[in-house]
Amino acid sequence: GENVEQHPSTLSVQEGDSAVIKCTYSDSASNYFPWYKQELGKRPQLIIDIRSNVGEKKDQRIAVTLNKTAKHFSLHITETQPEDSAVYFCAAYYNAGNMLTFGGGTRLMVKP
Amino acid sequence: DVKVTQSSRYLVKRTGEKVFLECVQDMDHENMFWYRQDPGLGLRLIYFSYDVKMKEKGDIPEGYSVSREKKERFSLILESASTNQTSMYLCASSSGTGIGRGGGYTFGSGTRLTVV
Repeated sequence: GENVEQHPSTLSVQEGDSAVIKCTYSDSASNYFPWYKQELGKRPQLIIDIRSNVGEKKDQRIAVTLNKTAKHFSLHITETQPEDSAVYFCAAYYNAGNMLTFGGGTRLMVKP
Repeated sequence: DVKVTQSSRYLVKRTGEKVFLECVQDMDHENMFWYRQDPGLGLRLIYFSYDVKMKEKGDIPEGYSVSREKKERFSLILESASTNQTSMYLCASSSGTGIGRGGGYTFGSGTRLTVV
């Protein structure tokens, strides 16, 4: 099955700095890669996603890049704000299982 | 506009009790999933279902069972609750044709279960 690894597990940045979270996946047939943000005490919510036919996607301060050859994808947050503090999960769509496989999560702390 | 509803936000149960966690979605999704979330362990899949009366074991099914009698409802059952089942439980749903074409999962708000 699919295996998704996510790094780092915790990340602390100063407000205004950039944050990068990286994930690798094992199944070369995976073709959909969403990112979820889970604020404290709340449900994970989809913030951005990317398909395997695209190398980069941007939405305001967040962007995701995908390197299919290396089987890794990354979340980039620029000009971080305290409200970006949350746990972020990457995921890969596992074709054979028709489900998402999640990374272990990254706790991002943005210090004012 | 809550679309995946978990019946309880917080639950305290005694060791040995039978516990039911309910999840209802109003998006006519075929797929439903139960995860538990523990610090440092991410999201671990317990059971999932692709259709009514269908169930499949996930990565950590021991001590749990599920029921899906109706498309919109997916119940997680702890047959005899134990303290190591104290956790946050998250339900999610997705369209049978959605993943890979858009949408991903919609999560419920979670049930924090404490077994004493």
